[in-house]
Amino acid sequence: KAGVTQTPRYLIKTRGQQVTLSCSPISGHRSVSWYQQTPGQGLQFLFEYFSETQRNKGNFPGRFSGRQFSNSRSEMNVSTLELGDSALYLCASSLGDRSGELFFGEGSRLTVL
Amino acid sequence: AQSVTQLDSQVPVFEEAPVELRCNYSSSVSVYLFWYVQYPNQGLQLLLKYLSGSTLVKGINGFEAEFNKSQTSFHLRKPSVHISDTAEYFCAVSPPRGGNKLTFGTGTQLKVEL
Repeated sequence: KAGVTQTPRYLIKTRGQQVTLSCSPISGHRSVSWYQQTPGQGLQFLFEYFSETQRNKGNFPGRFSGRQFSNSRSEMNVSTLELGDSALYLCASSLGDRSGELFFGEGSRLTVL
Repeated sequence: AQSVTQLDSQVPVFEEAPVELRCNYSSSVSVYLFWYVQYPNQGLQLLLKYLSGSTLVKGINGFEAEFNKSQTSFHLRKPSVHISDTAEYFCAVSPPRGGNKLTFGTGTQLKVEL
């Protein structure tokens, strides 16, 4: 069974640009969550999508958005990039049973110059 | 709201020695508890979880953790570590049925030395 796939794995952007990250969950998983990981703030929850609807949201500004498609694939977008957005963005999928058992991808490492 | 404190940022240990990684949490409601492991340049992998029932939870790779409600702790233990256990370990909590909005601790880097 294929794991969670995130693309791209690495990317470099400049301030003010926008970026879109993609996540393909494990087959059969209906929930996709996104986390930001930085050395200073650690792992922080961005949002969760279940059946194309946002089910939970963290405390991030509106520049961070996401969506989920009917095949459960998800994308997150960050607009007007800031230097502080440099981070590893992790996607995690689950069955959607609210148990908290997550299967993580390897992440997309974003560097903002 | 919940919070998680991992008291040790780094724990060095010799191979085949026992290890304990400490985790304390704060919550006004009951919680689910988790330990995740992150190997270099990889995502996180679930080691074990406590949802309810027995307070001693066994996970993968020989790890176990004990839920102590009175001390609000969920320490991770392994009786004999291997070089391959070198990784960063994260404790996390979520409210019951709270979806996948986990609150993570800051992580403990376990370094196993020969």
